[in-house]
Amino acid sequence: GAVVSQHPSRVICKSGTSVKIECRSLDFQATTMFWYRQFPKQSLMLMATSNEGSKATYEQGVEKDKFLINHASLTLSTLTVTSAHPEDSSFYICSAITRAVFQETQYFGPGTRLLVL
Amino acid sequence: GQQLNQSPQSMFIQEGEDVSMNCTSSSIFNTWLWYKQDPGEGPVLLIALYKAGELTSNGRLTAQFGITRKDSFLNISASIPSDVGIYFCAGRGSGAGSYQLTFGKGTKLSVIP
Repeated sequence: GAVVSQHPSRVICKSGTSVKIECRSLDFQATTMFWYRQFPKQSLMLMATSNEGSKATYEQGVEKDKFLINHASLTLSTLTVTSAHPEDSSFYICSAITRAVFQETQYFGPGTRLLVL
Repeated sequence: GQQLNQSPQSMFIQEGEDVSMNCTSSSIFNTWLWYKQDPGEGPVLLIALYKAGELTSNGRLTAQFGITRKDSFLNISASIPSDVGIYFCAGRGSGAGSYQLTFGKGTKLSVIP
């Protein structure tokens, strides 16, 4: 299957700082990437849909000014958590699909564990 | 919005036993996907189903896309310790935002050696 990477795998930061998480599709061009958040023992919750070259679409309740998404190329999307607070601590996972595949399937990255102190 | 009910929430089984879990939806999906997630990792795709009635196998795993397009099941035969993890179903609808997936709450599988 397709390979998606995330960096960093885990990050600890102080409250009030900003954190950038990168999501890369390694062996295919991802026209669309998704950002999810997963709290302990819960399912994945979609935060936003990121399309290359256009603004991200945010799910209801997700602050677009707090979670900045940039999808500048077909292989890279970034999520920046601005002015992070302890309640932003979570497991952030990205996924990617490619339009080249007729039957679209989402492939997930390994996730980024964020801990805000 | 669309909702997925996944059951059971958790299972404890003996090594070698077969496992079955399922998902039902309040609305029609065009695609059903089954993922396995290990602790601290992202979900890994197990099986993708694209057609109502489709039955697909991947090794000891078998999944079916329900004929009503509102349900799917995943079977694991002859379970082994490495099957331990959380299994998620996910469905994709049609229309605007059709790339988006709706996830079930997961089935936590424990295998007793």
